[in-house]
Amino acid sequence: QSVLSQPPSASGNPGQRITISCFGSGSNIGSKPVNWYRQLPGTAPELLIYKDNQRPSGVPDRLSGSKSGTSASLAISGLQSEDEADYYCAVWDDSRRGVVFGGGTKLTVL
Amino acid sequence: EVQLLESGGGLVQPGGSLRLSCAASGFSFSGNAMCWVRQAPGKGLEWISGIGGDETTHYADSVKGRSTISRDNSKNTVYLEMHSLRGEDTAVYYCAKDLWDYAGMDVWGQGTMVTVSS
Repeated sequence: QSVLSQPPSASGNPGQRITISCFGSGSNIGSKPVNWYRQLPGTAPELLIYKDNQRPSGVPDRLSGSKSGTSASLAISGLQSEDEADYYCAVWDDSRRGVVFGGGTKLTVL
Repeated sequence: EVQLLESGGGLVQPGGSLRLSCAASGFSFSGNAMCWVRQAPGKGLEWISGIGGDETTHYADSVKGRSTISRDNSKNTVYLEMHSLRGEDTAVYYCAKDLWDYAGMDVWGQGTMVTVSS
């Protein structure tokens, strides 16, 4: 069981906007910056969002991150077939003195 | 080109040991924290260890006491030694470069597979 809770699946039609949530606690999301990763099948993860809402160069602005209290969200607008992937949230946890990941959300583009 | 290349994976018997290596290139290695993240077959990502530029180390409970992370800045390489391996350690092991202070891992290797089985 993961320290961070994510829905196991999400779906949307091309062009739609979806959000993926990530729930934690005061020792992690509530006090530390959240990052988000995307993983395509058989490949290494890719950083999409760091410091709650910052995008590395090359990540399109239709992806955005936000945080409120002990929960964070990743929003993807203008959904495309290539967005089909597994998405993970992650954050440093002060209690565990390590990084914790969410269980991952499998995004399906219908 | 910024790159991480893991090696050292393979088949290990239960109770055995191994050392994974991760060779870095294309960035200032000594100033960055480095992490190991693993993924069991069909499962999610699990961070297992990190080492700061100051060589401060951190471990997940799942590997604490039977793993050692280290780095050799002269070789731009980070290592992970694991002992007392068990079936649940079977996974793809990724090396990753941290942005700063465990704020996010922006460069990942291709991963190396470790299988613990008799």
